[in-house]
Amino acid sequence: EDQVTQSPEALRLQEGESSSLNCSYTVSGLRGLFWYRQDPGKGPEFLFTLYSAGEEKEKERLKATLTKKESFLHITAPKPEDSATYLCAVQEGNTGTASKLTFGTGTRLQVTL
Amino acid sequence: SQTIHQWPATLVQPVGSPLSLECTVEGTSNPNLYWYRQAAGRGLQLLFYSVGIGQISSEVPQNLSASRPQDRQFILSSKKLLLSDSGFYLCAWSLREKLFFGSGTQLSVL
Repeated sequence: EDQVTQSPEALRLQEGESSSLNCSYTVSGLRGLFWYRQDPGKGPEFLFTLYSAGEEKEKERLKATLTKKESFLHITAPKPEDSATYLCAVQEGNTGTASKLTFGTGTRLQVTL
Repeated sequence: SQTIHQWPATLVQPVGSPLSLECTVEGTSNPNLYWYRQAAGRGLQLLFYSVGIGQISSEVPQNLSASRPQDRQFILSSKKLLLSDSGFYLCAWSLREKLFFGSGTQLSVL
């Protein structure tokens, strides 16, 4: 059974204070690892997909990296508008055409002035 | 561009009452469609997915059912709601493995 564990559960940063969120996973044949951002009361918004160990993706102040056992979401010089819950999800191979993602419980990030 | 519509945004229902949540997608044809539930303190849980009209796969045995009467319409239903059905329900469609979510329905069963 696929498992996704995210840490920490909650993180409070001051504006400009860089940090990393962790996503460790267990899956039989990784087809893709996904990062989403979710604001309160809204649906998750897609950020990145990583497919193989060593891959990196960047978007503004966010950079996602992937190893064979975990992924990190690095946040450089965060701003208050980066406050949200960040979700990690994995998809194993052999699921046909459906995107059956297994999600972690997320990291709630709060960035203060 | 593709858009996904989900309604209602919030819903308060008594135990034992029926449920119908609707989701429609615009700007694409024959999308894969999904219903997820997000309970407090838990990750998103896949409930149902559909790869075509009338084709429904259930991931978790439960009190809910899903239907896809039209290509871009996905409906989540229940004949009698339980307290444990409370949660945040999300409809999604996929494009090359990426999921794109609707705005969600917060369901409270009292």
